[in-house]
Amino acid sequence: AQSVTQLGSHVSVSEGALVLLRCNYSSSVPPYLFWYVQYPNQGLQLLLKYTTGATLVKGINGFEAEFKKSETSFHLTKPSAHMSDAAEYFCAVRVNYGGSQGNLIFGKGTKLSVKP
Amino acid sequence: DARVTQTPRHKVTEMGQEVTMRCQPILGHNTVFWYRQTMMQGLELLAYFRNRAPLDDSGMPKDRFSAEMPDATLATLKIQPSEPRDSAVYFCASGAPTVNTEAFFGQGTRLTVV
Repeated sequence: AQSVTQLGSHVSVSEGALVLLRCNYSSSVPPYLFWYVQYPNQGLQLLLKYTTGATLVKGINGFEAEFKKSETSFHLTKPSAHMSDAAEYFCAVRVNYGGSQGNLIFGKGTKLSVKP
Repeated sequence: DARVTQTPRHKVTEMGQEVTMRCQPILGHNTVFWYRQTMMQGLELLAYFRNRAPLDDSGMPKDRFSAEMPDATLATLKIQPSEPRDSAVYFCASGAPTVNTEAFFGQGTRLTVV
């Protein structure tokens, strides 16, 4: 079965600093990978996704992520943090295989704080 | 603007009462997910439907929870009887027929059981 591990439940950066949120997955078949963002009292919103093709994917709000099969990772980055990036970020995986084909499994989430 | 609609947005109920949460998926989406979010456990998958049939409900406590899709435009999650530990935010999400697409989330139902 697939699973997702997000390293660091809380990450704090200064405004203008690099944002790096880590995600590792476990899957026996090629995965589809997603990053979502959740602002307080709201639902989850898609930031970006990897399905096939280019391993570096760009998303909304200046975020990007790179799929590294050899490291089973899909880390999220942004060159320069903005105060409005403060939110909780979730990494998720889907696989096209098995009885629960297409199930969407999330990591525990990483809360990002941005200091002025 | 297509969106997943969840009702009610907030619900306060007494322990032992039945709670029903409803979700209207985006038209044309054939997959529906129910998640529960708490501070301690994060985002837990409760149930996953495809074409109105449950594919995975292993995360759902079967003794008190039930999930159904009476038709393609409505998904329901029921808790009977409710307990204080069920207090959480419950999210519904829907997705298109292909697996390489994302799920779209509703705004959630915040449930408080007192």
